[in-house]
Formats: sequence, C-alpha cells, structure tokens
Amino acid sequence: RKEVEQDPGPFNVPEGATVAFNCTYSNSASQSFFWYRQDCRKEPKLLMSVYSSGNEDGRFTAQLNRASQYISLLIRDSKLSDSATYLCVVNNAGGYNKLIFGAGTRLAVHP
Amino acid sequence: AAGVIQSPRHLIKEKRETATLKCYPIPRHDTVYWYQQGPGQDPQFLISFYEKMQSDKGSIPDRFSAQQFSDYHSELNMSSLELGDSALYFCASSLGPGQGALSEKLFFGSGTQLSVL
Repeated sequence: RKEVEQDPGPFNVPEGATVAFNCTYSNSASQSFFWYRQDCRKEPKLLMSVYSSGNEDGRFTAQLNRASQYISLLIRDSKLSDSATYLCVVNNAGGYNKLIFGAGTRLAVHP
Repeated sequence: AAGVIQSPRHLIKEKRETATLKCYPIPRHDTVYWYQQGPGQDPQFLISFYEKMQSDKGSIPDRFSAQQFSDYHSELNMSSLELGDSALYFCASSLGPGQGALSEKLFFGSGTQLSVL
C-alpha cells in the first residue's frame, strides 16, 4: 500500500464545474501537508499548504482531517487553465523535509 | 526571481554508461533534494542534503551517489546506467530547518530528462 493514496482520476469536467479531490495518508506522524500542481512533464509547483482549520485561496479550498488521515482539495468554477495533475504531498521528516508524493489525480477541464 | 537551475535539460546515454546531473539552488537556500519521476509515475524521493551533509536518503540505488558542494550546488552521479533509469530527475531547494513554514516550501527545478538506450 502506498504511503499517500489519491483518487485515481482522470476527472473530466466542464468549465465552471466544482471538483473535489481526496487523499489519504498512512503515517500518523506526518507533520505537514500540501497540494502541488504538475503540468505535463514539468516540475511540481506548490499550490497550497493544508491546515487542520482548512484554508482557502481564491477558488481553491483545502481541508485536513488528522483523525481520519484524510486531505481534500476543492476547486470551484473550474477554468481550462486548471487542467493539470494534482499531487497530494505529505511531509514526514521531523526537522528535515521529506516530501512523499501521491500518484496524482489528473484533471481535464473542457469548454 | 532566480529559480532552481538544473543542467543538462536533456541527456541521452547508453546502458552501462555514467551520467552527472547538476543542480543550482535558489540563492540562500542551503538544502537540496533529488527526486526521480518515471513515465506516468509520481516523484520518488532519492536523497537530500543540508549544509553539505546528507540529511535523508530515500530510494536511491547504490549505483547512484550525490553530494552538495561549498557553494550549495549539488551533483547526482549515476553509474552503470540501466534502461529503467530513464526518467525525469528533479532537484528542489529550500531554506534549512528551523525557519518555520518557510523551511517547508520546496521549489523545484525544471528537471533533467534522462534517456538510457
């Protein structure tokens, strides 16, 4: 079993749709959590950090449930430019970073 | 703003050859990380360095070695290359530990695409 598991995707949605991605992690000692975005064969880029209180950045909302070891990302009013792979990422190392990536969920937004 | 620089962008090698990938972190970043991403796979952590010392080790094969130099750039040396080593190799950098949320923000380079024939 992978340490970070994500919805397999792909998600094909029309512009303007709301889409939600889920992620679970197995290491209860995981320190911090992120969503990264990766365009085809490009470098991963940090989309947002995820906090227990939930956090929002424009059309993007992230939630963390430590008890269930569950992370989510909600995208509202999808744009064509949101098409990418979304990677759920967990930082396990205390002190030094050790980012563990999920396999990613591909999102395709169509007109 | 300066980003993480990786070289070369593309590299083609034959089986059993050696390869060296280079990574130049963002200025003031003292921590570098190496990741390997195979076709259709998620990035896999290989190794990291903080202040020129290895800070963590992941799924790096024994045929690979890496180091961080006094100017904080890092090199990944790969020997006895195999077909399965064909992948995108990303380097990332961050500030060192103890700087709160800033220490957790990794910035990735554009990667080196290694093809082993």
